[in-house]
Amino acid sequence: SQTIHQWPATLVQPVGSPLSLECTVEGTSNPNLYWYRQAAGRGLQLLFYSVGIGQISSEVPQNLSASRPQDRQFILSSKKLLLSDSGFYLCAWSVHGNTEAFFGQGTRLTVV
Amino acid sequence: GQQVMQIPQYQHVQEGEDFTTYCNSSTTLSNIQWYKQRPGGHPVFLIQLVKSGEVKKQKRLTFQFGEAKKNSSLHITATQTTDVGTYFCADPGFQKLVFGTGTRLLVSP
Repeated sequence: SQTIHQWPATLVQPVGSPLSLECTVEGTSNPNLYWYRQAAGRGLQLLFYSVGIGQISSEVPQNLSASRPQDRQFILSSKKLLLSDSGFYLCAWSVHGNTEAFFGQGTRLTVV
Repeated sequence: GQQVMQIPQYQHVQEGEDFTTYCNSSTTLSNIQWYKQRPGGHPVFLIQLVKSGEVKKQKRLTFQFGEAKKNSSLHITATQTTDVGTYFCADPGFQKLVFGTGTRLLVSP
């Protein structure tokens, strides 16, 4: 069966520090991969999506970047965190664009 | 760009009352998906609607896709405390998955 792993669950980082969040999927090949951010009590903002290795589409210009070095690995990064980067970061995958998406447990990031 | 709006933003009901959330897209949708996110949790897929005017039921939940495929609704009959959470519609689109703004449901016993 397919599973998605996302870590860490919580993270507290100082302003200006780098960030690396990793997400891996097991049990499927060539999934669509997504990164979302959710501010407290708010909706899901699509940050990046990927339909294949090395293929990254950015939805919102900001100081975040994403990479897909392997088929089932999706990484969210920042060189210098801002206070506004705080939020709940969720990774998700789907077989293709018109099927249900499965989410990881999420990472709660607090930038202090 | 595309916008997917939901109303209401928030609703507080007494257990046993009905609840409806409405989803409206600025563009015509190919399909519409619905997800539920429990407090502190991650979104979980509920259903996908494909056809114009389609209606699907899951126990007390009724999902409807508009005739013009630009809107959708989720109706919960006789809410229970287990229905608490945020309900999102989502446009699966071509390759990306865009979520609506969500409706947060609170149910008091």
